[in-house]
Amino acid sequence: DIQMTQSPSLLSASVGDRVTINCKASQNINKYLNWYQQKLGEAPKLLIYNTNNLQTGIPSRFSGSGSGTDYTLTISSLQPEDFGTYFCFQHNSWPYTFGAGTKLELK
Amino acid sequence: EVQLQESGPGLVKPSQSLSLTCSVTGYSITSNYWGWIRKFPGNKMEWIGHISYSGSTSYNPSLKSRISITRDTSKNQFFLQLNSVTTEDTATYYCARATEGIAFDYWGQGVMVTVS
Repeated sequence: DIQMTQSPSLLSASVGDRVTINCKASQNINKYLNWYQQKLGEAPKLLIYNTNNLQTGIPSRFSGSGSGTDYTLTISSLQPEDFGTYFCFQHNSWPYTFGAGTKLELK
Repeated sequence: EVQLQESGPGLVKPSQSLSLTCSVTGYSITSNYWGWIRKFPGNKMEWIGHISYSGSTSYNPSLKSRISITRDTSKNQFFLQLNSVTTEDTATYYCARATEGIAFDYWGQGVMVTVS
């Protein structure tokens, strides 16, 4: 199975900050990397698919980059509604696997 | 808009079977792929498997001997059955739609299942 190492596990930031979250795969996943946001009690929301494609309706302050084994989610200017948990997900090979998640909290 | 809603018992006894239903509105399950994912206490997530528009299935090898994903197209629902559960199957179970090449793009809110 492909292991996804996500960092940091906890991120404290302020409104307006630029933040980055990283995922490292144990092998090349050919950019088949998605990012999701989840708030307590809600369904996960797809933000970015296949490394750098913004899902419809997602604000442009969210962006993704990467290749090979290393991928990054960037939020250019944090908004109050962005606090929650973020996780990465690889769908290059079965079984699909997830990162452990990053909790983004208000500093 | 696509909406998914999981339902099923919140408590299952060890060694019994866990059965969940995902009801889909706003989109036909005869298109795309439809999957199950679970989130354990402590937040680790695991892809369980999915069923395609044609009814073919793919399962996580770690669970393959215990799971079955089926569907009822007349009700636009799909189902998860997990047999011989243990306390380690305690998790929040999500159903989701997958689009080819994009993977899971719409999710349900999840249903918490405790094995005890």
